[in-house]
Amino acid sequence: GNSVTQMEGPVTLSEEAFLTINCTYTATGYPSLFWYVQYPGEGLQLLLKATKADDKGSNKGFEATYRKETTSFHLEKGSVQVSDSAVYFCALSRPGGGSQGNLIFGKGTKLSVKP
Amino acid sequence: NAGVTQTPKFRVLKTGQSMTLLCAQDMNHEYMYWYRQDPGMGLRLIHYSVGEGTTAKGEVPDGYNVSRLKKQNFLLGLESAAPSQTSVYFCASQDRVVSNNQPQHFGDGTRLSIL
Repeated sequence: GNSVTQMEGPVTLSEEAFLTINCTYTATGYPSLFWYVQYPGEGLQLLLKATKADDKGSNKGFEATYRKETTSFHLEKGSVQVSDSAVYFCALSRPGGGSQGNLIFGKGTKLSVKP
Repeated sequence: NAGVTQTPKFRVLKTGQSMTLLCAQDMNHEYMYWYRQDPGMGLRLIHYSVGEGTTAKGEVPDGYNVSRLKKQNFLLGLESAAPSQTSVYFCASQDRVVSNNQPQHFGDGTRLSIL
């Protein structure tokens, strides 16, 4: 079946440190891949996405590359800030909509950035 | 831009009570979803709708019912609340899926406690 596995947290970093959150997936066909971010007390917001192999999604200094050969979509940022503290979810979406288009989420990785 | 609005934001119920969670979106999206978020579990799909008047079961539908009488609203009902339904509930909407790269837009969640 389709699934997403992401590294367990929590992850604690100092400000300006390099961030990597690993995400691997299992899917039939050619899914789109997403990273969502959830700030405390809020809903999920789309951070970035990639729709085909070798695509790179980027936003707010975060990047992730769709690697079909390793079935991975790791999230990276070169220099984190305190304001990046949040829970990050990797997800995949199958074509079609409804249950076919719904998102399959990883369990989330909590990031805490210390000043 | 209101986006996706969920009401109420918090609620405490006693076992056996009933209630309805309301989700409203102003983006004219066709698809709507209800998820629950539990610690260590990520988000799991409860029910979804691909259009006005249609609903379908997701991964964890037992104990819940839904209705989509109007395109902009998606209601989630608990007929007889149980402590296992203590969770944070998220509604999401999505534009008609022509390809699989349409993101979902989330509300801020409803925190529900069942005593």
